[in-house]
Amino acid sequence: NAGVTQTPKFRVLKTGQSMTLLCAQDMNHEYMYWYRQDPGMGLRLIHYSVGEGTTAKGEVPDGYNVSRLKKQNFLLGLESAAPSQTSVYFCASRTSGETQYFGPGTRLLVL
Amino acid sequence: AQKITQTQPGMFVQEKEAVTLDCTYDTSDQSYGLFWYKQPSSGEMIFLIYQGSYDEQNATEGRYSLNFQKARKSANLVISASQLGDSAMYFCAMREGNYGGATNKLIFGTGTLLAVQP
Repeated sequence: NAGVTQTPKFRVLKTGQSMTLLCAQDMNHEYMYWYRQDPGMGLRLIHYSVGEGTTAKGEVPDGYNVSRLKKQNFLLGLESAAPSQTSVYFCASRTSGETQYFGPGTRLLVL
Repeated sequence: AQKITQTQPGMFVQEKEAVTLDCTYDTSDQSYGLFWYKQPSSGEMIFLIYQGSYDEQNATEGRYSLNFQKARKSANLVISASQLGDSAMYFCAMREGNYGGATNKLIFGTGTLLAVQP
């Protein structure tokens, strides 16, 4: 049981490039989340999903898109990366209970 | 708007001593949940402890306890008998939305960096 995994662990992009971050969970959780973590700030919610085929905006959704085509996967896309998107990205998932379980994070640097 | 405030950017504690990390929250909801997560230098977010707003007893998990004072809107984390491995960033978070609700989201504080000294 791997829990929540994220791919890749680290990535460097040039401004304007695109990429997709993959989050996978093997716990059959309904709900999945993407957060970003910036220095001196707590985690902020980008987008979330309450089930396969559904997505919704969080606190800071601009510049990102998401898809949840399969229950176990939640993809975060950057169509045209900007330096302001340099951050650590965390995926999390939960069941109908309270606790969100987090992946190990992806460090993204946009030059 | 709901908000979590952690006023201690950093703290030192001697090994084997107890330490309290402060967290205050602001919400107008009657039903809410409070969480503490640990983030070691390796970067992952580790769930530590949870307290529901209707729970009458303070939550405990091993060496971690949550000092929940509803009237003061505080949810401080107490770590007893600190260990070197407790050195990490600690985040307080609050659940926005009803218990188990589909659209529940977490709001995080800015964190407290704890350094345990031998």
